Order: sequence, then structure tokens, then C-alpha cells
Amino acid sequence: DSGVTQTPKHLITATGQRVTLRCSPRSGDLSVYWYQQSLDQGLQFLIQYYNGEERAKGNILERFSAQQFPDLHSELNLSSLELGDSALYFCASSVRQGVSEQYFGPGTRLTVT
Amino acid sequence: GNSVTQMEGPVTLSEEAFLTINCTYTATGYPSLFWYVQYPGEGLQLLLKATKADDKGSNKGFEATYRKETTSFHLEKGSVQVSDSAVYFCAVPLNNAGNMLTFGGGTRLMVKP
Repeated sequence: DSGVTQTPKHLITATGQRVTLRCSPRSGDLSVYWYQQSLDQGLQFLIQYYNGEERAKGNILERFSAQQFPDLHSELNLSSLELGDSALYFCASSVRQGVSEQYFGPGTRLTVT
Repeated sequence: GNSVTQMEGPVTLSEEAFLTINCTYTATGYPSLFWYVQYPGEGLQLLLKATKADDKGSNKGFEATYRKETTSFHLEKGSVQVSDSAVYFCAVPLNNAGNMLTFGGGTRLMVKP
């Protein structure tokens, strides 16, 4: 158990809908990262937050957004969903900005039908 | 940015066989290197890391040595078990300014009794 929690575990929704994925980092970790894992694209970095502020963006679509709250949990919002958004979405956390070692949550499996 | 390339799988071995999964990196400077493991239906777990050239990371019988001469970080284990069946990912920070990770494509290991 990494100490990173994600909810929900599974999500099934229709095209065009909007969903919110939630992540709670390990106790004491200030940095949260979101990754997408799909069969065709592999594991891709989406976005990073540190202590409530966005720090880095990767291959994140404009339809996707995220935020980190004062209690350090983070949410990833996916809107206007398309079939191709079906994937595993992982959250990871690390203790501070300059540390690369990350601890991953169990993931949320999103299926868009 | 930095990148890693790892051998494609699947790799199928008998129990107690020797394992090598190749990973080579392209990077500016000498960033930390990581191996993560993903067991079926689970998130990624940090398996081992090396923070500088010539470092050897080790955990659970797995080892990897950070070799700057060959820009490699191959994962090895002397005697695999059925429980080692999983997907293994090599990773490096995307750039030296941040700490988001970029991953190799993953290598599936299947160990038969």
C-alpha cells in the first residue's frame, strides 16, 4: 500500500459526459501528479501540482483540468468525454518539488461508452 | 527532454531462471533512474532507484546499475519466481528542472512454474 488513495476505482460513462477523479496523496506529500495509461499511448504525464499550485503540464488535453485543494487532495476533471479517453488514470505523490521518487495510487479505470 | 527505451516483451521465463530487462536512457546530465513494477490490476510500485552514475539500486532480489558509459539501467534478478510476473517500467525525470517522470513502454514478464 503506497498510501496514495484514488476514488472511484472504476467509472463507466457515456461520450460527452464529464467526470471527476479524486486523489489523496500520502501524508506529508505536497506534490501530486496525474498520469494516463492507455494501451496505445502507454504511461503519459498529464499535470503536476505542488502545494496547491500548478507546476508542470504534460500531454493534457484542453478538455481536462485539475486542481489541488488546501488539504492537498487533488481532482482531475475530464469533460466532453470521447471513446479515446478510456484509460487508467493514476495519481502519484512525492514529498516535495525537487524529488523524483513518486508513489502511485491504485488508479481509476475510466470506460467511455 | 530525457527519455528511456526498454525492451519489448513479453518475456517468458521458467521459475528460478535469470532475468534481464534492458533499459537505455537519453538524458542531459545524470538524473535519477527508476524501475517501477505493476502487478495485475494494481498501480505502479517503486521497485528500485539509482540517484547517480555508478549507483546500484536493489530491492527484493532485483538490481540495476546506473552505467553512464553505456547509458543503461538494466534490471536483473538471479532467480525469478512466479510472483514476479508483472509489467516492469523504466523511468527517468522528463527534464532536470522538474520531476515529472517519463516511462518506457513497459516489459511484461511471465514466469512459469
